[in-house]
Amino acid sequence: DAGITQSPRHKVTETGTPVTLRCHQTENHRYMYWYRQDPGHGLRLIHYSYGVKDTDKGEVSDGYSVSRSKTEDFLLTLESATSSQTSVYFCAINGQKNTEAFFGQGTRLTVV
Amino acid sequence: GENVEQHPSTLSVQEGDSAVIKCTYSDSASNYFPWYKQELGKRPQLIIDIRSNVGEKKDQRIAVTLNKTAKHFSLHITETQPEDSAVYFCAATAAGNKLTFGGGTRVLVKP
Repeated sequence: DAGITQSPRHKVTETGTPVTLRCHQTENHRYMYWYRQDPGHGLRLIHYSYGVKDTDKGEVSDGYSVSRSKTEDFLLTLESATSSQTSVYFCAINGQKNTEAFFGQGTRLTVV
Repeated sequence: GENVEQHPSTLSVQEGDSAVIKCTYSDSASNYFPWYKQELGKRPQLIIDIRSNVGEKKDQRIAVTLNKTAKHFSLHITETQPEDSAVYFCAATAAGNKLTFGGGTRVLVKP
C-alpha cells in the first residue's frame, strides 16, 4: 500500500459540532485530495491541494475547509457538522500530474 | 469545471461474457483517464489508465478505448469472472491535476 493513512477510521458526532479528519502521507507527494462517497453519487471532490498552503475547491466544498501546513498532512474540517455530511470520506494522493492516485482506507463519518 | 458521466449504473453479466462501461467528459483539456475498481468496503484501486495521445490500451482481460473527438472513453472486460464483481469508476484529469470521477458502475458477474 502507498504510505497514506486516514484518521479516525470511524467517527460519530452530533449536529453542530466541529470535526477534523486527517490524511497523512509518507510519500512526499505533491497532490492531495479529499473526496466524499455517497450511494448514487460516486466519488465527489471536496477540496484538493497542489502544494503546501496551496488548495482549491472541488465540486462539493460548501461546509468544508482544508489546511495543508506541511507536505505530509492534509486536514479536512467540518466547521459545524450537519446530517447531510454523513458519508465515507476518502483521501487520495499522487506525485505528478496524470499519474495514479492512491487512496487512503476511508473514514466513515456519521452525524446524528 | 470537468463533468464526467458514466453508464450504465449497474451491469449484470454471465460469467465468461464481456462487460462494457462507457464514460463521457466535458473538458476538452482533459488528458488523463484512469479507471478504478472498488470492492465492497475497500478503497478504490487503479486497474488501467490511458493518456490522450493513445487511442487504446490493453492489459490482459481489460482494455480501455479513448475517442478524444467525441470526448468519450470505455472500459472493456472480457471473459468475466466472479472476482470482477465490484464497482468501477472512470475519471478524467484536466487542468491543475484535478481528478473528477464518474458516478460508478456496479458490476455483478453471475456464475
